[in-house]
Amino acid sequence: GENVEQHPSTLSVQEGDSAVIKCTYSDSASNYFPWYKQELGKRPQLIIDIRSNVGEKKDQRIAVTLNKTAKHFSLHITETQPEDSAVYFCAAPLRQLTFGSGTQLTVLP
Amino acid sequence: NAGVTQTPKFQVLKTGQSMTLQCAQDMNHEYMSWYRQDPGMGLRLIHYSVGAGITDQGEVPNGYNVSRSTTEDFPLRLLSAAPSQTSVYFCASSYSGLETQYFGPGTRLLVL
Repeated sequence: GENVEQHPSTLSVQEGDSAVIKCTYSDSASNYFPWYKQELGKRPQLIIDIRSNVGEKKDQRIAVTLNKTAKHFSLHITETQPEDSAVYFCAAPLRQLTFGSGTQLTVLP
Repeated sequence: NAGVTQTPKFQVLKTGQSMTLQCAQDMNHEYMSWYRQDPGMGLRLIHYSVGAGITDQGEVPNGYNVSRSTTEDFPLRLLSAAPSQTSVYFCASSYSGLETQYFGPGTRLLVL
């Protein structure tokens, strides 16, 4: 069936280290792959997105890569800081924009 | 612009009660949707609408009804609340179902 798998479900890193979250999807109806960040008790908010005409996109400490042939995409956060601690969701354009199950990232000081 | 707004922020219901969760957006988005968020389950689509007068079911529609009489409003109705509907509910809007979703602040619902 149509689904988006996200790994890992939890991730702890030391401040200053890098974090990588990976998602795979079954199929896609368009070329838009966003990532959202959700802080505790707040709404999900878009942090970065990528369209399948490019393989990588960077925005300061955040980067996203996309391999449409292999049907997977990843979020990379470098030089992590305590304020990066949150739940991160990937989303893929299946019949509708479909979200992964989320990754709880904890940055340890 | 207020973006996407939701009311109430928090609600406690007894099993069998009904209620309506309100959602409004002022961005003139055609697409609106409702998600529920449970621990470890991510965001699951309940119902969505591609424009006024048009609604469709998402992944988990049972127990919920929606209508879309205007572009701005997309209420979610629980006809007979059950404890399994305890969750956080997010409304979202967008230009289309395959583009960036803008989320409301959420409604936390507890069904006893």
